[in-house]
Amino acid sequence: SQQGEEDPQALSIQEGENATMNCSYKTSINNLQWYRQNSGRGLVHLILIRSNEREKHSGRLRVTLDTSKKSSSLLITASRAADTASYFCAAFLNRDDKIIFGKGTRLHILP
Amino acid sequence: EAGVTQSPTHLIKTRGQQVTLRCSPISGHTSVYWYQQALGLGLQFLLWYDEGEERNRGNFPPRFSGRQFPNYSSELNVNALELEDSALYLCASKNRDRGYQPQHFGDGTRLSIL
Repeated sequence: SQQGEEDPQALSIQEGENATMNCSYKTSINNLQWYRQNSGRGLVHLILIRSNEREKHSGRLRVTLDTSKKSSSLLITASRAADTASYFCAAFLNRDDKIIFGKGTRLHILP
Repeated sequence: EAGVTQSPTHLIKTRGQQVTLRCSPISGHTSVYWYQQALGLGLQFLLWYDEGEERNRGNFPPRFSGRQFPNYSSELNVNALELEDSALYLCASKNRDRGYQPQHFGDGTRLSIL
């Protein structure tokens, strides 16, 4: 079964607005990571948040983790056209276990 | 630093054929992971190799197999191809000794089965 389930499946916003994507998982995790995938390309790692962390920032990205609700959110502030991509969360059960990816959120930034 | 490289970039096969996909990890990375991404779907974990050994395997039939070479490069073999094997196959590498590090992905091999 999928550990990571992103919500929404698709999101279209105006350039400059903030985009929020959510991820839910089913069991205890060691850490959770967010990746971006441009069309037809490989995944690019964005940010990792450990299970003992609640919030993390990287540039225009802000990730939160609520282990009691088994959920995470990714916020992209001041969106740009280049942010158009699919975003995936990946749950890590322990150090080197299988990565379980969700189906992703397709983000489209409108000019 | 060169990234993860995969070859070929595109491949067209017919049902019943066999295919071999190749992956070269980032220099110094000992772990290689393979994923299948069917159109519109998320990534499904296929295989994980580290130090030449298969460490974990996803829920795929035995006709999906692979190996890792002494230089840490890896091959994914798929036998008796079926239409539903059409997908983007992604390889990722990581240095297992560096703790909780992210995986680094190649751009994949797009396999089309006719």
